[in-house]
Amino acid sequence: KNQVEQSPQSLIILEGKNCTLQCNYTVSPFSNLRWYKQDTGRGPVSLTIMTFSENTKSNGRYTATLDADTKQSSLHITASQLSDSASYICVVLLGTDKLIFGTGTRLQVFP
Amino acid sequence: NAGVTQTPKFRILKIGQSMTLQCTQDMNHNYMYWYRQDPGMGLKLIYYSVGAGITDKGEVPNGYNVSRSTTEDFPLRLELAAPSQTSVYFCASSPSYGGNTIYFGEGSWLTVV
Repeated sequence: KNQVEQSPQSLIILEGKNCTLQCNYTVSPFSNLRWYKQDTGRGPVSLTIMTFSENTKSNGRYTATLDADTKQSSLHITASQLSDSASYICVVLLGTDKLIFGTGTRLQVFP
Repeated sequence: NAGVTQTPKFRILKIGQSMTLQCTQDMNHNYMYWYRQDPGMGLKLIYYSVGAGITDKGEVPNGYNVSRSTTEDFPLRLELAAPSQTSVYFCASSPSYGGNTIYFGEGSWLTVV
């Protein structure tokens, strides 16, 4: 079954700390993996898109990694800010035309 | 920069009523989508369109209808609303599928009572 699982379900950190969010997928054939940030009450916004051949991709303080062999991805947030409080959604493109969405990790950053 | 615009933001419907969620994009994207997001669940595709005049069903199309008369607009029609349609609805667009980023609207919160 094609699935995308994220962990942890929720996470609380202090401002300035780093954190890592995990995404495991059982999607085949795999085309690419995306990370989205969704602020409360808003639509998802793309952070990164990674293809099979890309191991790491950065977008400011956000760094995504991909291990296609183990079918795992992580999103690392460096020096967290209050504005990083959001849900982070991992999405995998199955073949050419179907996106499989994870349920997200809810991150709360406190001062 | 308008991007993808959805209306209304919030709506309460009674069981059996009908309504249309409006969606328009100003990026000249060929692909448009409607998703629903239920609490604790990943987004599910309702319908999508690859261009004006062309629409197709996604994973959860029952109870919904769409049309695509122009590149810009992709309204979602709910017929005979049911409590199971209580959800957050997102319209989205992209230049094409596959490797392109998908741009989402701000969402429409719908409650059916």
